Amino acid sequence: EPEVTQTPSHQVTQMGQEVILRCVPISNHLYFYWYRQILGQKVEFLVSFYNNEISEKSEIFDDQFSVERPDGSNFTLKIRSTKLEDSAMYFCASNRQEGGYNEQFFGPGTRLTVL
Amino acid sequence: LAKTTQPISMDSYEGQEVNITCSHNNIATNDYITWYQQFPSQGPRFIIQGYKTKVTNEVASLFIPADRKSSTLSLPRVSLSDTAVYYCLVALPGYQKVTFGTGTKLQVIP
Repeated sequence: EPEVTQTPSHQVTQMGQEVILRCVPISNHLYFYWYRQILGQKVEFLVSFYNNEISEKSEIFDDQFSVERPDGSNFTLKIRSTKLEDSAMYFCASNRQEGGYNEQFFGPGTRLTVL
Repeated sequence: LAKTTQPISMDSYEGQEVNITCSHNNIATNDYITWYQQFPSQGPRFIIQGYKTKVTNEVASLFIPADRKSSTLSLPRVSLSDTAVYYCLVALPGYQKVTFGTGTKLQVIP
């Protein structure tokens, strides 16, 4: 069964450093998403991406964040200058959004720890 | 995006049927109801989606009354591996800015 993959599984970085989180969505999916989940809290939407551009973003997704689909398979989230409060699990998801069916397929997540 | 309300937690013994109800009084005409499951340190996983009446798949059933102001996820004969957080989401199909609430933490007891 196809699945969304994410690398690395755990990233430790120093405050102020740039990090890039990588995702490989399911190959025939058209919509891509990033979410984050701070330990013990809710899953929060960050951004959705379709047709090589951002289609929706939340208030969390400020100028420190960017997304890119550099080739036909990878989807990346970059945090330009990490803060302590960026420590969280980051989940990538993808789907096709056909008709009324709106299932999103989530990856296993990257745990980001900012020291 | 319709606001949803679910119990914060539930306990159940193995082998029992578990019903988790979600209230969504402000559901819009074209909104769908979707349930996800999340195990610790994993991404959410789609369980079931419906618009009205009853939907059943190999994992669960979803009951939606005629007024659609609530829905009930039914898990038949739960096992310890069903211990997870269950989220009810209400949105238009194709709505991308999906918002997860606090969900219902189900603890299955041996």
